[in-house]
Amino acid sequence: TQLLEQSPQFLSIQEGENLTVYCNSSSVFSSLQWYRQEPGEGPVLLVTVVTGGEVKKLKRLTFQFGDARKDSSLHITAAQTGDTGLYLCAGAWSGGSNYKLTFGKGTLLTVNP
Amino acid sequence: SAVISQKPSRDICQRGTSLTIQCQVDSQVTMMFWYRQQPGQSLTLIATANQGSEATYESGFVIDKFPISRPNLTFSTLTVSNMSPEDSSIYLCSAGRQGAEAFFGQGTRLTVV
Repeated sequence: TQLLEQSPQFLSIQEGENLTVYCNSSSVFSSLQWYRQEPGEGPVLLVTVVTGGEVKKLKRLTFQFGDARKDSSLHITAAQTGDTGLYLCAGAWSGGSNYKLTFGKGTLLTVNP
Repeated sequence: SAVISQKPSRDICQRGTSLTIQCQVDSQVTMMFWYRQQPGQSLTLIATANQGSEATYESGFVIDKFPISRPNLTFSTLTVSNMSPEDSSIYLCSAGRQGAEAFFGQGTRLTVV
């Protein structure tokens, strides 16, 4: 069973602050995806990281995949109230004909004005 | 990317009844999945919907309770059978190609009374 530990589970910060969310596993994933979900909506894909050591930037969001492809981080610079939501990391695992995503427990981020 | 339409978006059902949730994808995809999610929490995979064959269920989920159909590459249904209040949750359909990103519908919020 592939497990993905995500931390912190809850995060409440002031607008303008920086934050980092972590996603760790003992398993090697073929890729890792980050999603953001708002209430009443399904998760929306933010980014996919595939290569060990890969860094991707999406405006104020920076995503990193660990060299061993077992961990990842999401860093938000100068958070805005619009960043509020549930952030989910998901590791893609492929074994034979099976393919599935393993989700972390999520980080519920609240950015206060 | 894929656009996923899921319906109904919400429903309130009597205990002992069944509800069928539909998921339509705007393009042919290899993989379709059904998840369950409590508000503010992470996703739990119910099963992988296989075209033309029985779905592959995760531990704790059985076909009699959650029958799934997938008659073609773009459509799937999940039925929640003989519902009880414990089945109240958000049910999400996801689709994608093997080894690639997964995209989600907006979810079905089910309340069983």
